[in-house]
Amino acid sequence: DVQLVESGGGLVQPGRSLRLSCTASGFTFDDYTMSWVRQAPGKGLEWVGFIRRKPYGGTAEYAASVKGRVTISRDDSNSIAYLQLNSLKTEDTAVYFCTRAHLLEAAGKYYFDYWGQGTLVTVSS
Amino acid sequence: DIQMTQSPSTLSASVGDRVTITCRASQSVSNWLAWFQQKPGKAPKLLIYTASSLQSGVPSRFSGSGSGTEFTLTISSLQPDDFATYYCQQYNSYGYTFGQGTKLEIK
Repeated sequence: DVQLVESGGGLVQPGRSLRLSCTASGFTFDDYTMSWVRQAPGKGLEWVGFIRRKPYGGTAEYAASVKGRVTISRDDSNSIAYLQLNSLKTEDTAVYFCTRAHLLEAAGKYYFDYWGQGTLVTVSS
Repeated sequence: DIQMTQSPSTLSASVGDRVTITCRASQSVSNWLAWFQQKPGKAPKLLIYTASSLQSGVPSRFSGSGSGTEFTLTISSLQPDDFATYYCQQYNSYGYTFGQGTKLEIK
């Protein structure tokens, strides 16, 4: 079974940094693009970014709202995706979900087929 | 970014009812649209992708339709397990924007 387990969340002060991890199992990790989506308390879902698999360059794309403060990386040998959050703001408080992105190759489009349970990041002084 | 607007925001229905949720995009997303179900404290679950394709393991009472800017999610006969919040999401372009959600409540 596909499993995605996020870790690394917690309480952090504004302006500080945090790195979240997503440990994957049950599928061939390096065959997939991996994505992060967040959900502020009581609010809707917001895409944060994704990182492509190596044959597609291993490059990342980010939402405009976080670009410049966020870096997504991957360690294919250990099946882990990372989300580095820098210069954290109170509005970054959210549950951060890791998702697997399924590529529709002919169209070059991704949809998010499996999700982890999320890890809560609280930014507060 | 493309804006996704769902209606209604809240829907009250009974077990056995047929319900429809609508999602409108601010510009065409072709058929690159997904629907998710989320229960409190849980991760979203993919129901439908590419507007009308049923994800493996999802009951056939769920169906999706539409293209361009208007889409619908239909549940043919509500079951107790279906009371949850539903989100649409476009994956035509970066932003991968979600609708604001429709909360399906028990009448």
